[in-house]
Amino acid sequence: GAVVSQHPSWVICKSGTSVKIECRSLDFQATTMFWYRQFPKQSLMLMATSNEGSKATYEQGVEKDKFLINHASLTLSTLTVTSAHPEDSSFYICSATGTSGNNEQFFGPGTRLTVL
Amino acid sequence: GDSVTQMEGPVTLSEEAFLTINCTYTATGYPSLFWYVQYPGEGLQLLLKATKADDKGSNKGFEATYRKETTSFHLEKGSVQVSDSAVYFCALRSGGSYIPTFGRGTSLIVHP
Repeated sequence: GAVVSQHPSWVICKSGTSVKIECRSLDFQATTMFWYRQFPKQSLMLMATSNEGSKATYEQGVEKDKFLINHASLTLSTLTVTSAHPEDSSFYICSATGTSGNNEQFFGPGTRLTVL
Repeated sequence: GDSVTQMEGPVTLSEEAFLTINCTYTATGYPSLFWYVQYPGEGLQLLLKATKADDKGSNKGFEATYRKETTSFHLEKGSVQVSDSAVYFCALRSGGSYIPTFGRGTSLIVHP
């Protein structure tokens, strides 16, 4: 149980276009979802936290208008990278916590974004 | 604030060698401690955890003991395999927070 999926697993896009990444909890209801960014050989950087039906809370330094997060249901959150540029190329990982009360995060497999 | 420090990698070992990856932390109170593993091209998987002092987390032959006196949570395995090659992240979570604080990760490369 507690499986989180991401789609797509990798995407290549042209500079200036927008890319949407989906994060789904497959077998549990995710009360809270998190989006992380991981640079090569670096740790995970938390970008934002989202609760179903409310606006996401962004970490300091993360542009809200560039990284749009929608948490429309208890099983789906989306991250849209708007007007992508090569410096947005990265590995994006989502995670989710359920309703068990122990706050354990379950991580998705990640999405590799390459902006040309 | 909370922080996690891991030994820098890469750690390169031969198959069946003994593994230690050091991890120390700084936190207020009594955090929960975790090791995550990230295989190439994949997301993070929880490897093991410990929630209080002197607890030992173990999984797949890996072990780590929560040492409050030295604020450490070193990862060990007696005999590594090529399939253990991955990046290992030490992390802590304080109090009622949802959000772990991660170390920078340590890459492990195991040669046949």
